[in-house]
Amino acid sequence: DVKVTQSSRYLVKRTGEKVFLECVQDMDHENMFWYRQDPGLGLRLIYFSYDVKMKEKGDIPEGYSVSREKKERFSLILESASTNQTSMYLCASSTGQGYGYTFGSGTRLTVV
Amino acid sequence: LAKTTQPISMDSYEGQEVNITCSHNNIATNDYITWYQQFPSQGPRFIIQGYKTKVTNEVASLFIPADRKSSTLSLPRVSLSDTAVYYCLALSQGGKLIFGQGTELSVKP
Repeated sequence: DVKVTQSSRYLVKRTGEKVFLECVQDMDHENMFWYRQDPGLGLRLIYFSYDVKMKEKGDIPEGYSVSREKKERFSLILESASTNQTSMYLCASSTGQGYGYTFGSGTRLTVV
Repeated sequence: LAKTTQPISMDSYEGQEVNITCSHNNIATNDYITWYQQFPSQGPRFIIQGYKTKVTNEVASLFIPADRKSSTLSLPRVSLSDTAVYYCLALSQGGKLIFGQGTELSVKP
């Protein structure tokens, strides 16, 4: 089975801090995605990547950036964390066919 | 991307069959219907996918009529552990998963 590992399960950061959320997948998937999930808003796509060093904006990229230096790793960066970025962050990967995404367990980030 | 519409919540009892219907009137020719399940504090998990007619796996069945404007996820004999949010998505090959609100299924003893 594909495994998607997110580095932290829970994270508490201060407003203005630069925050790195790491995601690693172990099945050589081309595509990787970052979502955030909030009550009443569902899952929203932040950024995605179809290949190393490639990135595409999702529906809500403002305040975020990403890095994909290696195929297996996709990092989400909060340049200057704000309280409205408190959320559950989910990473996913998929094959090039785009079916059967595998999600990580999520990182619950609290910005205080 | 096709917009999907599904009930916000459903209640059921253990042992019953649950059918969750999803509407996707503007589905594209090359879109597949894909269902995901999400438990609290976990990422969504792929359940089943189909293009038309009926698909069955060890977890669920998926019924898609000929016009493909709707689909029904069928969960046989649900248990308490099937309490989760179920998402219906229309997805093309190589496409992005765009989630709607999902259906919150509550299974009671």
